[in-house]
Amino acid sequence: AQKVTQAQTEISVVEKEDVTLDCVYETRDTTYYLFWYKQPPSGELVFLIRRNSFDEQNEISGRYSWNFQKSTSSFNFTITASQVVDSAVYFCALSEAIQGAQKLVFGQGTRLTINP
Amino acid sequence: DAGVIQSPRHEVTEMGQEVTLRCKPISGHNSLFWYRQTMMRGLELLIYFNNNVPIDDSGMPEDRFSAKMPNASFSTLKIQPSEPRDSAVYFCASSLRPSPKETQYFGPGTRLLVL
Repeated sequence: AQKVTQAQTEISVVEKEDVTLDCVYETRDTTYYLFWYKQPPSGELVFLIRRNSFDEQNEISGRYSWNFQKSTSSFNFTITASQVVDSAVYFCALSEAIQGAQKLVFGQGTRLTINP
Repeated sequence: DAGVIQSPRHEVTEMGQEVTLRCKPISGHNSLFWYRQTMMRGLELLIYFNNNVPIDDSGMPEDRFSAKMPNASFSTLKIQPSEPRDSAVYFCASSLRPSPKETQYFGPGTRLLVL
């Protein structure tokens, strides 16, 4: 069965520090997709990034960057120069094919608190 | 463009009452998903539809839960009768196509409290 593990339940840092959120996944599929979502205190789930298993290039979007390493089945998320607005719960998810459709398997989430 | 719309945003009801949650997917999206989020179990997929047809409802906890999608722009999740353990946040999500590579976009959720 597919599984996503976010070992860090909670992280607390001071503003402007860099922080990395870990994500480790398990799958037997050769083609799969990984996602990160952000859940701010307001409760909605906001899509951040999608990565397919064939593209191991790291991705950078402003202060956000993602490191995908197939060899270690990891898809880690780094926030550089963190800000208070980055405080949220972050979910890593793995997509598996179920009858051609997409079933997302979520990790338990990492609660990130950025202190001023 | 409007995102996924859910109503109500908050629902408080008493045990035994019927609860109906509503969802309007993003226009043009052909796949719709219902999730439940609790502290104990995290985010769980309850059911999903492709082109208005239920494909997999294995995540539906029991017969008290039912979901329908009468057309491409509307879906309901019904709990009858409701129980306190149903208290959770229920999310609806939609994606463009029934493909593992498609991104699911989530609605704001319905926070349900059953007393």
